[in-house]
Amino acid sequence: DAKTTQPPSMDCAEGRAANLPCNHSTISGNEYVYWYRQIHSQGPQYIIHGLKNNETNEMASLIITEDRKSSTLILPHATLRDTAVYYCIGVVSGNTPLVFGKGTRLSVIA
Amino acid sequence: DAGITQSPRHKVTETGTPVTLRCHQTENHRYMYWYRQDPGHGLRLIHYSYGVKDTDKGEVSDGYSVSRSKTEDFLLTLESATSSQTSVYFCAISEPGRWYSYEQYFGPGTRLTVT
Repeated sequence: DAKTTQPPSMDCAEGRAANLPCNHSTISGNEYVYWYRQIHSQGPQYIIHGLKNNETNEMASLIITEDRKSSTLILPHATLRDTAVYYCIGVVSGNTPLVFGKGTRLSVIA
Repeated sequence: DAGITQSPRHKVTETGTPVTLRCHQTENHRYMYWYRQDPGHGLRLIHYSYGVKDTDKGEVSDGYSVSRSKTEDFLLTLESATSSQTSVYFCAISEPGRWYSYEQYFGPGTRLTVT
């Protein structure tokens, strides 16, 4: 699985878009990018995943660069409840479990 | 929310005592996982199960054993608890689909303190 690199922390103003970057320069062609988040004292929560195309769901959008070496998770209108640690994870389809790194701590500020 | 419960939610135990944590799901998902989370280390996989009586080791399996006799229950046992096993333990479930989805749903966690 590709090693992912994320900034340790970011701030975002409430109501603005939060753009969380992730570098995965060693990603292979069949490797998915998954995003999870963990709100304080809770279990992690699945957000979104993608392979090549951009993806959107009710929680967020995932933008993957054409060369697939990086991606950005976008929370379009961040709220205080989006304050959490966000994890970007590279996964090769198959039977290998998820491996969580240290993620990005996003603080949404009123 | 996925139907995942963990018990107990909090436990304090003494070094050398056996401890069993239980994860129970009502989703009939095939895959179940145990993670531990410690400051500075993020989430680390201990063991996982891909079916009844089918289990495998994760990244930090030493000192832990697991059992799965029913689809809905996945037990994590610390045979002889040590202070280094003080942690928050999370259970997760997933049901790989056609494209091996890694959408995992996590339980609320068990906070274990070994004194």
